[in-house]
Amino acid sequence: DQQVKQNSPSLSVQEGRISILNCDYTNSMFDYFLWYKKYPAEGPTFLISISSIKDKNEDGRFTVFLNKSAKHLSLHIVPSQPGDSAVYFCAASPTGKLIFGQGTTLQVKP
Amino acid sequence: EAGVAQSPRYKIIEKRQSVAFWCNPISGHATLYWYQQILGQGPKLLIQFQNNGVVDDSQLPKDRFSAERLKGVDSTLKIQPAKLEDSAVYLCASSSRDIASTDTQYFGPGTRLTVL
Repeated sequence: DQQVKQNSPSLSVQEGRISILNCDYTNSMFDYFLWYKKYPAEGPTFLISISSIKDKNEDGRFTVFLNKSAKHLSLHIVPSQPGDSAVYFCAASPTGKLIFGQGTTLQVKP
Repeated sequence: EAGVAQSPRYKIIEKRQSVAFWCNPISGHATLYWYQQILGQGPKLLIQFQNNGVVDDSQLPKDRFSAERLKGVDSTLKIQPAKLEDSAVYLCASSSRDIASTDTQYFGPGTRLTVL
């Protein structure tokens, strides 16, 4: 039972354009969501998070949007840079543990 | 501040052998997690410790996997005997808050296990 889903395995965008990564979840009790970025041969690194009491959180080039009625969140990267090329995981956090999606591989082309 | 340390980085064993992984969390972090990440999937929680006590091990295959966190700092994860399907990256993470709060988890580089 996949409680957190990232339906796009990969995404390719041009440098300078917007990257939009999507994530859906099934459990309406989830109250905290995070995005992690992972480079090859490294562990995931925290990128940005959002609480269920908000619908938007912004940190520099990264913005996360939460639509609770649709059980959907998205990560926007503007402008995209080649160094953003990585695997992005969304995760939901019920009571401190993380439930991850399958990941989306982002490639930003120069 | 030093990050989460894990060793070894890579391990190749044959099925039915045993293997152990080590994790040293960020200093002062009370909560420690072990995750299994199979190729093409997201990390899946195996076990969560709060200090040296187990909080959640519902996803740990206890017939072959074991983990301990003596003195509430370092932790070891053991597989005995290993199966082919155990081939994965084993990630250790730590966080500073107690189990009732949500806080950022910091991950180590992982141990890539290949079972032949």
